[in-house]
Amino acid sequence: QVQLVQSGTEVKKPGASVKVSCMTSGYTFSSYGISWVRQAPGQGLEWVGWINAYNGNTNYAQKVQGRVTMTTDTSTSTAYMELRSLRSDDTAIYYCARVPGAMIAFDPWGQGTLVTVSS
Amino acid sequence: QSVLTQPPSVSGAPGQRVTISCTGSSFNFGAGYDVHWYQQLPGTAPKLLISGNKNRPSGVPDRFSGFKSGTSASLAITGLQADDEADYYCQSYDSRLSGFYVFGTGTKVTVL
Repeated sequence: QVQLVQSGTEVKKPGASVKVSCMTSGYTFSSYGISWVRQAPGQGLEWVGWINAYNGNTNYAQKVQGRVTMTTDTSTSTAYMELRSLRSDDTAIYYCARVPGAMIAFDPWGQGTLVTVSS
Repeated sequence: QSVLTQPPSVSGAPGQRVTISCTGSSFNFGAGYDVHWYQQLPGTAPKLLISGNKNRPSGVPDRFSGFKSGTSASLAITGLQADDEADYYCQSYDSRLSGFYVFGTGTKVTVL
């Protein structure tokens, strides 16, 4: 079955960087995109960005533009999200999700990675 | 800030019917973009509930149904059950933003 398994909890200081991984299995990795979504404590879902696993094209939310880079490794069917210059309001659970195509629903989702930014 | 507005909470007794609204604009629903719905049980990742306005993925009970018209969408849950208690989010595409996807503000469903 299709699975997305994310890396573990991260604790970072303000100004640092974090790189979260999303290892996929059960489908042809390059035939789909991967979106990243975050959820701050007690808050709703916020779309962070998307990467096309076939050609590497990306699109990022305005809020993180310039601080985020999404990449993929097709040899290991893994997607990565790096967020730099971390601030306290970046504290959130970060989810990856498979995206069949533009405007198509996200399914399935990874289990989430908690990133805490604190001095 | 989200461009899709949902009521913060709805509640109902077991067996009842509840509906969750999701209000958008001419830049998302009104432009013809689909709505998708997700269920997030406490402490878990979101799960796709309805795709493409009204389609239920395999395994989703037919107690859940989706509808979209104009600049609004809704999710209905009939025969409410205790394990339906969760947060529900709508999602669409918005042509106005530099990014692609937008989520609703989220609705907490409480089973009384």
